[in-house]
Amino acid sequence: NAGVTQTPKFQVLKTGQSMTLQCAQDMNHEYMSWYRQDPGMGLRLIHYSVGAGITDQGEVPNGYNVSRSTTEDFPLRLLSAAPSQTSVYFCASSPRTGYSYEQYFGPGTRLTVT
Amino acid sequence: AQSVTQPDIHITVSEGASLELRCNYSYGATPYLFWYVQSPGQGLQLLLKYFSGDTLVQGIKGFEAEFKRSQSSFNLRKPSVHWSDAAEYFCAVAGGNEKLTFGTGTRLTIIP
Repeated sequence: NAGVTQTPKFQVLKTGQSMTLQCAQDMNHEYMSWYRQDPGMGLRLIHYSVGAGITDQGEVPNGYNVSRSTTEDFPLRLLSAAPSQTSVYFCASSPRTGYSYEQYFGPGTRLTVT
Repeated sequence: AQSVTQPDIHITVSEGASLELRCNYSYGATPYLFWYVQSPGQGLQLLLKYFSGDTLVQGIKGFEAEFKRSQSSFNLRKPSVHWSDAAEYFCAVAGGNEKLTFGTGTRLTIIP
Protein backbone atom coordinates (compact mmCIF):
# COMPACT_ATOMS: atom_id res chain seq x y z
CA ASN A 1 0.00 0.00 0.00
CA ALA A 2 1.20 3.50 -0.84
CA GLY A 3 -0.96 4.94 1.96
CA VAL A 4 -1.88 8.60 1.52
CA THR A 5 -0.17 10.35 -1.36
CA GLN A 6 -0.12 14.07 -2.16
CA THR A 7 0.99 15.97 -5.21
CA PRO A 8 2.75 18.25 -5.77
CA LYS A 9 5.29 18.40 -2.93
CA PHE A 10 6.04 22.07 -3.58
CA GLN A 11 4.16 24.79 -5.44
CA VAL A 12 4.58 28.51 -5.97
CA LEU A 13 1.58 30.52 -7.12
CA LYS A 14 0.96 34.14 -7.89
CA THR A 15 -1.88 35.96 -6.18
CA GLY A 16 -5.13 35.28 -7.99
CA GLN A 17 -4.09 32.02 -9.61
CA SER A 18 -6.03 28.85 -9.01
CA MET A 19 -4.78 25.33 -8.53
CA THR A 20 -5.70 21.90 -7.23
CA LEU A 21 -3.80 19.96 -4.61
CA GLN A 22 -4.19 16.26 -5.17
CA CYS A 23 -4.73 13.64 -2.47
CA ALA A 24 -5.26 9.92 -2.91
CA GLN A 25 -5.40 6.93 -0.59
CA ASP A 26 -5.40 3.23 -1.38
CA MET A 27 -6.64 1.94 1.99
CA ASN A 28 -10.36 2.15 1.18
CA HIS A 29 -10.84 4.67 3.97
CA GLU A 30 -14.20 6.40 4.14
CA TYR A 31 -13.04 9.52 5.94
CA MET A 32 -10.66 12.02 4.34
CA SER A 33 -9.65 15.48 5.40
CA TRP A 34 -7.47 18.46 4.58
CA TYR A 35 -5.47 20.46 7.11
CA ARG A 36 -3.22 23.45 6.86
CA GLN A 37 -0.23 23.87 9.12
CA ASP A 38 1.08 27.28 10.03
CA PRO A 39 3.85 28.12 12.51
CA GLY A 40 2.60 28.33 16.07
CA MET A 41 -0.93 27.30 15.12
CA GLY A 42 -0.76 23.54 14.82
CA LEU A 43 -2.96 21.92 12.19
CA ARG A 44 -6.34 23.36 11.34
CA LEU A 45 -9.09 21.48 9.55
CA ILE A 46 -10.11 22.96 6.19
CA HIS A 47 -12.63 20.47 4.78
CA TYR A 48 -13.49 16.86 5.34
CA SER A 49 -15.48 14.04 3.79
CA VAL A 50 -17.15 11.01 5.38
CA GLY A 51 -17.63 9.22 2.08
CA ALA A 52 -17.94 9.63 -1.66
CA GLY A 53 -20.30 12.46 -2.51
CA ILE A 54 -20.30 13.91 1.01
CA THR A 55 -18.17 16.86 2.09
CA ASP A 56 -18.35 19.41 4.87
CA GLN A 57 -16.50 22.44 6.14
CA GLY A 58 -13.94 22.44 8.87
CA GLU A 59 -12.49 25.28 10.90
CA VAL A 60 -10.94 27.35 8.08
CA PRO A 61 -12.82 26.63 4.81
CA ASN A 62 -12.84 30.07 3.16
CA GLY A 63 -11.01 30.22 -0.16
CA TYR A 64 -10.98 26.44 -0.60
CA ASN A 65 -13.22 24.00 -2.40
CA VAL A 66 -13.38 20.20 -2.27
CA SER A 67 -15.24 17.35 -3.92
CA ARG A 68 -15.26 13.61 -3.35
CA SER A 69 -16.33 11.70 -6.44
CA THR A 70 -14.52 8.49 -5.48
CA THR A 71 -13.46 6.86 -2.22
CA GLU A 72 -9.79 7.17 -3.20
CA ASP A 73 -9.45 10.83 -4.18
CA PHE A 74 -10.06 14.07 -2.32
CA PRO A 75 -8.66 17.10 -4.20
CA LEU A 76 -8.43 20.54 -2.63
CA ARG A 77 -8.98 23.54 -4.90
CA LEU A 78 -7.72 27.02 -4.28
CA LEU A 79 -10.08 29.28 -6.18
CA SER A 80 -8.05 32.50 -6.19
CA ALA A 81 -4.80 32.18 -4.27
CA ALA A 82 -3.90 34.77 -1.66
CA PRO A 83 -0.66 35.24 0.31
CA SER A 84 -2.58 34.22 3.46
CA GLN A 85 -2.87 30.75 1.93
CA THR A 86 0.89 30.25 2.07
CA SER A 87 1.12 27.16 4.24
CA VAL A 88 1.85 23.46 4.37
CA TYR A 89 -1.16 21.37 3.46
CA PHE A 90 -1.75 17.86 4.74
CA CYS A 91 -4.28 15.33 3.62
CA ALA A 92 -5.35 12.55 5.97
CA SER A 93 -7.65 9.53 5.90
CA SER A 94 -9.32 7.32 8.47
CA PRO A 95 -11.11 3.97 8.23
CA ARG A 96 -14.06 4.94 10.46
CA THR A 97 -14.64 1.27 11.27
CA GLY A 98 -14.40 0.26 14.90
CA TYR A 99 -14.50 3.90 15.92
CA SER A 100 -10.77 4.05 15.39
CA TYR A 101 -10.59 7.75 14.54
CA GLU A 102 -6.91 7.18 13.83
CA GLN A 103 -5.88 9.32 10.90
CA TYR A 104 -3.11 8.55 8.44
CA PHE A 105 -1.33 11.57 7.02
CA GLY A 106 0.22 12.25 3.65
CA PRO A 107 3.68 13.85 3.31
CA GLY A 108 2.32 17.35 2.72
CA THR A 109 2.36 20.03 0.03
CA ARG A 110 4.30 23.23 0.71
CA LEU A 111 2.51 26.12 -1.01
CA THR A 112 3.86 29.63 -1.40
CA VAL A 113 1.67 32.41 -2.75
CA THR A 114 3.50 35.55 -3.88
CA ALA B 1 -16.31 22.56 21.42
CA GLN B 2 -13.17 20.56 21.97
CA SER B 3 -9.75 22.14 22.39
CA VAL B 4 -6.17 21.19 23.19
CA THR B 5 -3.46 23.16 24.94
CA GLN B 6 0.22 22.36 24.74
CA PRO B 7 1.78 24.87 27.13
CA ASP B 8 5.39 24.28 26.11
CA ILE B 9 6.36 25.68 22.72
CA HIS B 10 9.96 24.41 22.87
CA ILE B 11 11.71 21.97 25.17
CA THR B 12 15.41 21.10 25.26
CA VAL B 13 16.52 17.83 26.80
CA SER B 14 19.89 16.13 27.09
CA GLU B 15 20.29 12.81 25.33
CA GLY B 16 19.56 10.00 27.78
CA ALA B 17 17.42 12.19 30.05
CA SER B 18 13.75 11.62 30.67
CA LEU B 19 11.07 13.56 28.86
CA GLU B 20 7.56 14.73 29.62
CA LEU B 21 5.48 16.78 27.19
CA ARG B 22 2.32 18.31 28.55
CA CYS B 23 -1.13 18.25 26.98
CA ASN B 24 -4.41 19.51 28.41
CA TYR B 25 -7.71 19.03 26.65
CA SER B 26 -11.20 20.38 26.93
CA TYR B 27 -14.16 18.18 26.06
CA GLY B 28 -17.42 17.44 27.83
CA ALA B 29 -17.30 13.66 27.69
CA THR B 30 -14.61 11.01 27.47
CA PRO B 31 -12.35 12.10 24.64
CA TYR B 32 -10.30 10.17 22.15
CA LEU B 33 -6.71 11.39 22.59
CA PHE B 34 -3.71 11.11 20.34
CA TRP B 35 -0.05 12.05 20.19
CA TYR B 36 1.54 12.56 16.78
CA VAL B 37 5.18 13.23 15.91
CA GLN B 38 6.43 15.24 12.95
CA SER B 39 10.05 15.09 11.87
CA PRO B 40 11.36 18.06 9.86
CA GLY B 41 9.84 18.17 6.38
CA GLN B 42 7.70 15.11 7.02
CA GLY B 43 4.07 14.30 7.61
CA LEU B 44 2.60 13.29 10.95
CA GLN B 45 3.07 9.84 12.43
CA LEU B 46 0.85 8.46 15.18
CA LEU B 47 2.77 7.68 18.38
CA LEU B 48 -0.09 6.44 20.53
CA LYS B 49 -3.78 6.82 21.23
CA TYR B 50 -6.25 6.56 24.10
CA PHE B 51 -9.87 5.53 23.64
CA SER B 52 -10.86 3.82 26.88
CA GLY B 53 -9.66 1.33 29.47
CA ASP B 54 -6.16 1.44 30.92
CA THR B 55 -5.19 5.06 31.42
CA LEU B 56 -1.51 4.36 30.74
CA VAL B 57 -1.01 3.68 27.05
CA GLN B 58 2.12 2.48 25.32
CA GLY B 59 3.14 3.67 21.91
CA ILE B 60 5.87 3.28 19.36
CA LYS B 61 9.49 4.31 19.83
CA GLY B 62 9.34 3.76 23.60
CA PHE B 63 6.80 6.50 24.30
CA GLU B 64 3.92 6.27 26.76
CA ALA B 65 1.16 8.61 27.85
CA GLU B 66 -1.15 8.76 30.83
CA PHE B 67 -4.76 9.92 30.70
CA LYS B 68 -5.80 11.77 33.84
CA ARG B 69 -9.46 12.69 33.73
CA SER B 70 -9.32 14.74 36.94
CA GLN B 71 -6.63 16.96 35.42
CA SER B 72 -7.90 16.86 31.82
CA SER B 73 -4.39 15.88 30.83
CA PHE B 74 -2.71 13.42 28.50
CA ASN B 75 1.02 13.90 29.01
CA LEU B 76 3.58 12.13 26.87
CA ARG B 77 6.63 10.55 28.50
CA LYS B 78 9.80 8.74 27.57
CA PRO B 79 12.33 7.48 30.14
CA SER B 80 15.43 8.10 28.04
CA VAL B 81 15.48 10.22 24.88
CA HIS B 82 17.62 9.59 21.83
CA TRP B 83 18.93 12.17 19.37
CA SER B 84 16.47 10.80 16.81
CA ASP B 85 13.56 11.91 19.00
CA ALA B 86 14.17 15.53 18.03
CA ALA B 87 10.96 16.56 16.27
CA GLU B 88 7.71 18.40 16.81
CA TYR B 89 5.04 16.69 18.87
CA PHE B 90 1.33 17.31 18.57
CA CYS B 91 -1.42 16.33 20.95
CA ALA B 92 -4.89 15.96 19.44
CA VAL B 93 -8.42 15.24 20.62
CA ALA B 94 -11.41 13.76 18.80
CA GLY B 95 -14.78 14.27 20.42
CA GLY B 96 -16.62 11.18 19.26
CA ASN B 97 -16.00 11.66 15.56
CA GLU B 98 -13.03 11.85 13.26
CA LYS B 99 -12.65 15.61 13.47
CA LEU B 100 -9.32 16.05 15.17
CA THR B 101 -8.45 19.22 17.03
CA PHE B 102 -4.71 19.69 17.37
CA GLY B 103 -2.62 21.57 19.87
CA THR B 104 -0.07 24.07 18.65
CA GLY B 105 2.77 21.62 19.09
CA THR B 106 5.93 21.29 21.18
CA ARG B 107 9.30 21.36 19.48
CA LEU B 108 11.80 19.02 21.10
CA THR B 109 15.52 19.66 20.83
CA ILE B 110 18.03 17.06 22.03
CA ILE B 111 21.48 18.14 23.12
CA PRO B 112 24.42 15.71 23.29
